[in-house]
Amino acid sequence: DIQMTQSPSSLSASVGDRVTITCRASQSISIYLNWYQQKPGKAPDLLIYAASRLQSGVPSRFTGTGSGTDFTLTIASLQPEDFATYYCQQSYSTPWTFGQGTRVEIK
Amino acid sequence: EVQLVESGGGLVQPGRSLRLSCATSGFIPEHYAIHWVRQGPGKGLEWVAGISYNSANISYADSVKGRFTISRDNAKNSHYLQMNSLRAEDTALYYCVKDILLGFGKLSRFDVWGQGTMVTVSS
Repeated sequence: DIQMTQSPSSLSASVGDRVTITCRASQSISIYLNWYQQKPGKAPDLLIYAASRLQSGVPSRFTGTGSGTDFTLTIASLQPEDFATYYCQQSYSTPWTFGQGTRVEIK
Repeated sequence: EVQLVESGGGLVQPGRSLRLSCATSGFIPEHYAIHWVRQGPGKGLEWVAGISYNSANISYADSVKGRFTISRDNAKNSHYLQMNSLRAEDTALYYCVKDILLGFGKLSRFDVWGQGTMVTVSS
């Protein structure tokens, strides 16, 4: 199985900050990496697919980059509604696997 | 509006069985794969099982293989997860999730999620 490792596990940031979350795969997954946002008590929402493609309706301040084993999710200017937990997920092969999550908290 | 509504969760003793259901609306079910993803209390997301649009392809996480069975009835807009030999570590919120694809392609992603049904395994 492909292991997905996110870093950091949590971070504190202020509104307006630039935030970067990293996801590393245990083997090459090309560009087959998705990002989800989960707010407390809610189901996750798809943010980015295929490493860099923005899901319809997602604000352009969210950017995904990377290929192979190393990926990043960047929030250009953190907004109050962005405080949440973010998960990466590989779709390269079954079983699909998620990273452990990165919690973005208010500083 | 695309919706997935899970039901069937509850408190069950270790070793017993439970069947989860997922009712879908707002889209043609036979056009998409469906998955179950779970989240333990205070924990991250774990993909559990997936089924292609026509049930020809099915896959399971190692942690549930041999104990859980995923199925679907497109005519009834319904999807199921039969869970046998339940363990304490199966305690989680179980989400029914729609894929963007028919089957298990590399561009698979989970674009619509239900609100989940809670399963608690405890004596």
